[in-house]
Amino acid sequence: AQSVTQLGSHVSVSEGALVLLRCNYSSSVPPYLFWYVQYPNQGLQLLLKYTSAATLVKGINGFEAEFKKSETSFHLTKPSAHMSDAAEYFCAVSDGGTGRRALTFGSGTRLQVQP
Amino acid sequence: DAGVIQSPRHEVTEMGQEVTLRCKPISGHDYLFWYRQTMMRGLELLIYFNNNVPIDDSGMPEDRFSAKMPNASFSTLKIQPSEPRDSAVYFCASSLGQGYSNQPQHFGDGTRLSIL
Repeated sequence: AQSVTQLGSHVSVSEGALVLLRCNYSSSVPPYLFWYVQYPNQGLQLLLKYTSAATLVKGINGFEAEFKKSETSFHLTKPSAHMSDAAEYFCAVSDGGTGRRALTFGSGTRLQVQP
Repeated sequence: DAGVIQSPRHEVTEMGQEVTLRCKPISGHDYLFWYRQTMMRGLELLIYFNNNVPIDDSGMPEDRFSAKMPNASFSTLKIQPSEPRDSAVYFCASSLGQGYSNQPQHFGDGTRLSIL
């Protein structure tokens, strides 16, 4: 069974500050990992995905994430927060290699950006 | 390109009524997923289809819920009879099938369902 833990249901940063959203996963097989963003009253939008090609993954809107197998982590970062980054962020995992397509989502982290 | 299209966007109905949610996946995608999002339980997979065939329905809460995919461009999620605890946002997502499960899922904007 696979699972995802997102530490911190709410994170608040100042505009221009570093954004760090934490994600740890548990999977019995090599995982595929994703970060999605959800703006109010919208669906989830893919930010980036890890598929074993490179441990540092760059996504849209200046976000990136680093896969660390030894720490079973896939934390999301952005060097400088913008007001438009305020949203809820979800980390998700799917089983790489089993063929099962379903995603298991973390509980989400709501990012607040202060002016 | 049109994304995943869900209808209606909002649905308010009384307990006991039948509710039908609709989804049109992205053209060419052969996987379709239904998720439910609530404050208490977060995002939960209800069911997913591959080439119109249900593959995993273990997340469907109970017999009141049913889902169909009569063709590659349309799916429905039905609740009959509906109950207040079914109130949630229901998302449909679709993805391509080639390769392993690293293909991202593309989500619709959801249907916000309120059962009174």
